[in-house]
Amino acid sequence: DAKTTQPPSMDCAEGRAANLPCNHSTISGNEYVYWYRQIHSQGPQYIIHGLKNNETNEMASLIITEDRKSSTLILPHATLRDTAVYYCIVRADSGGSNYKLTFGKGTLLTVNP
Amino acid sequence: DTGVSQDPRHKITKRGQNVTFRCDPISEHNRLYWYRQTLGQGPEFLTYFQNEAQLEKSRLLSDRFSAERPKGSFSTLEIQRTEQGDSAMYLCASSLASLGNEQFFGPGTRLTVL
Repeated sequence: DAKTTQPPSMDCAEGRAANLPCNHSTISGNEYVYWYRQIHSQGPQYIIHGLKNNETNEMASLIITEDRKSSTLILPHATLRDTAVYYCIVRADSGGSNYKLTFGKGTLLTVNP
Repeated sequence: DTGVSQDPRHKITKRGQNVTFRCDPISEHNRLYWYRQTLGQGPEFLTYFQNEAQLEKSRLLSDRFSAERPKGSFSTLEIQRTEQGDSAMYLCASSLASLGNEQFFGPGTRLTVL
């Protein structure tokens, strides 16, 4: 799986949009971009994933650049409960490697009141 | 609650003792994964099962570690002769064996080896 680079920490004001960047310059054509988050003392939680097109669900939006070398996770209206470590992961969804997630250190997002 | 459950949530043991953790996946999920997470790091893959078959083991899984999923439902992870370096959060996840399906994680078992 390709390696990802994320800033170690970010701050966001409550109610504002949180934009979390991720670089994945060596991503392959069959690799998806996944985002998970981990709230303190809990297991990781799936947020969203995408291949080429931008994606949106009830939790967040995922913007992937046209060259697919970077992406941004957007939490449109951050709340205090969104304070967590956010992990950007690239993973192939074909062949034999689609079973595991390779986590980096992620970005600690702190939402401030 | 239909999520992934793990038991116990916390375990404190003395060096050299054996410990066993249990994971109950979401009932219809045929894939089950174990990860380990140390302080300040992201989770690291240990092993995974498809139904009862253990299909992959990480090099992190030394000979002291053994995992089973005897009937393709719950799984156990045993650590023999624990060492202080085994202190970590042990996370279990499950998923359907289909492309793009997300993994659902349990709350983890925090192991402290004294």
